[in-house]
Amino acid sequence: DTEVTQTPKHLVMGMTNKKSLKCEQHMGHRAMYWYKQKAKKPPELMFVYSYEKLSINESVPSRFSPECPNSSLLNLHLHALQPEDSALYLCASSQDLLAGPRDQYFGPGTRLLVL
Amino acid sequence: AQSVSQHNHHVILSEAASLELGCNYSYGGTVNLFWYVQYPGQHLQLLLKYFSGDPLVKGIKGFEAEFIKSKFSFNLRKPSVQWSDTAEYFCAVNAITSGTYKYIFGTGTRLKVLA
Repeated sequence: DTEVTQTPKHLVMGMTNKKSLKCEQHMGHRAMYWYKQKAKKPPELMFVYSYEKLSINESVPSRFSPECPNSSLLNLHLHALQPEDSALYLCASSQDLLAGPRDQYFGPGTRLLVL
Repeated sequence: AQSVSQHNHHVILSEAASLELGCNYSYGGTVNLFWYVQYPGQHLQLLLKYFSGDPLVKGIKGFEAEFIKSKFSFNLRKPSVQWSDTAEYFCAVNAITSGTYKYIFGTGTRLKVLA
């Protein structure tokens, strides 16, 4: 199984809502990533978990809160988002963060619209 | 500033034409280099990678790329493109510099192959 799954595929939320994005992989990968991709732009790294510990936070606003409950799951909790946060949110995983080839497997993304 | 540059934003080719997409990066030290492809309506997937060893790497679907360290380049090539190669191509660099982990994508090149 070389798949990264993400739910939901689409999400519309108001600025006062609380929602969560979910990501799952069963490849035994120990590094998992959240990216944000705006239209016609490249993915931008937000967070990286390595062995279920938050290793990298690319100065992301606190209204985005990541969580890694176990080695297969990665969540992104959203609260009090702004319209400019509307984007495609991509999850990815790789075998390891620092050791070995660090090619990433991407999920299909969650398309988020903040009203 | 450290960056990944893809100079061709849009490329249009006829089938059977040869392809070369440029990628230059400005990170020092050890880097891992990747090309990802995003076909219409599909998620990002790895095309090829350079980790170490032979600087000429071969990927899926007849693509290859050459790492030229002195030029900080990792250009993607294919001798003869097909209509099915129509997609967006992203170069990516993974580097650890000054204790900071980076996984940066270039701005992407949209390739359209005319049948």
